[in-house]
Amino acid sequence: DAGVIQSPRHEVTEMGQEVTLRCKPISGHDYLFWYRQTMMRGLELLIYFNNNVPIDDSGMPEDRFSAKMPNASFSTLKIQPSEPRDSAVYFCASSFRGWNTEAFFGQGTRLTVV
Amino acid sequence: AQSVAQPEDQVNVAEGNPLTVKCTYSVSGNPYLFWYVQYPNRGLQFLLKYITGDNLVKGSYGFEAEFNKSQTSFHLKKPSALVSDSALYFCAVRETGSARQLTFGSGTQLTVLP
Repeated sequence: DAGVIQSPRHEVTEMGQEVTLRCKPISGHDYLFWYRQTMMRGLELLIYFNNNVPIDDSGMPEDRFSAKMPNASFSTLKIQPSEPRDSAVYFCASSFRGWNTEAFFGQGTRLTVV
Repeated sequence: AQSVAQPEDQVNVAEGNPLTVKCTYSVSGNPYLFWYVQYPNRGLQFLLKYITGDNLVKGSYGFEAEFNKSQTSFHLKKPSALVSDSALYFCAVRETGSARQLTFGSGTQLTVLP
């Protein structure tokens, strides 16, 4: 398996624009997580899915953020409208059977909002 | 509530010397504990985990960690450091039986000097 695949690797956008980040989890994994990493706040869990269903989105910073998982092999994280403070590295991770098993992380999307 | 602390932002060690990266945790019950490593511009990679059983856990690349319940610690160790071990290391915890998500520490930057 190629691992967790995220696209794009880098995204530069202007404030107010819509941004969509994409993730393909490892085949067979039933949990999918979206994290955000910044120098100030470290690694934060934004939302996670189990069997394509959102379980906990309490980490989503505000309504401008939304995430979907239409099927087991694809998820998106959307920011609309984007703001400079959204600049961060966004990671997608997947795991099999949840919290006592290790998660596999993608390489991340570095988002810069100018 | 669950939390994890990595008291050192930076650890420097000479190549060939033993290394220790510290982690302490706080949970109400029993913990699941993980160590991850992050190389520049990469996602987190799983190193090792403690779920139950032996307090000494061996992981990838020669790393090991010792679970100490009385001291609520899970320090990462390696007998002989390599320059290639230089990276950012994260400890993470989740309370067993909890619906809460994995909580990551703030990370420790390990630099192995040649």
